[in-house]
Amino acid sequence: TQLLEQSPQFLSIQEGENLTVYCNSSSVFSSLQWYRQEPGEGPVLLVTVVTGGEVKKLKRLTFQFGDARKDSSLHITAAQPGDTGLYLCAGALSGGTSYGKLTFGQGTILTVHP
Amino acid sequence: AAGVIQSPRHLIKEKRETATLKCYPIPRHDTVYWYQQGPGQDPQFLISFYEKMQSDKGSIPDRFSAQQFSDYHSELNMSSLELGDSALYFCASSWRTSGNTDTQYFGPGTRLTVL
Repeated sequence: TQLLEQSPQFLSIQEGENLTVYCNSSSVFSSLQWYRQEPGEGPVLLVTVVTGGEVKKLKRLTFQFGDARKDSSLHITAAQPGDTGLYLCAGALSGGTSYGKLTFGQGTILTVHP
Repeated sequence: AAGVIQSPRHLIKEKRETATLKCYPIPRHDTVYWYQQGPGQDPQFLISFYEKMQSDKGSIPDRFSAQQFSDYHSELNMSSLELGDSALYFCASSWRTSGNTDTQYFGPGTRLTVL
């Protein structure tokens, strides 16, 4: 059972379209991070959200943390071919003895066609 | 800005051999995490260290061990390698003492191939 459910797993769109990727869980996270990963490379941090209801913007990317800190979304406006890649959400569970270790979603492979 | 450094980037071993992967965290970072990513899989947490002490343990086989040294670099030692150990191994670091404990920065990874 996947603790963090990420959807969709594959997304193929045309340049200029908008898209949203979702991460959902029944567990509460102390923080949630979004990464982008190129094949054979390490995940590159895009953003960390820590407060329920928090919204962060990074150019055309908008990240939101759910009020209950159980879910998050990544919205890309006017997607460009350079946005193509694997996007991963990762959460650090709240409480317990697990300190900081990340649980990842399955990832979303985004392809933006020119 | 300095990033997490991992070495080697690629490693090819035979079954039953041993391998040592090294990780150098971002300067001033005091916490190191190790993750394993199989083909088409998301990264799975193996083990973490804070201030040279083991902090948390995940799905790390008994054949694997790790430690963090006085200069905060970490090494993952893998023995009796199996074909299923072939994967990308990532190290991530964070600065727990700063209070921003959950923001982890990943290294480029070591690709281990076991033949």
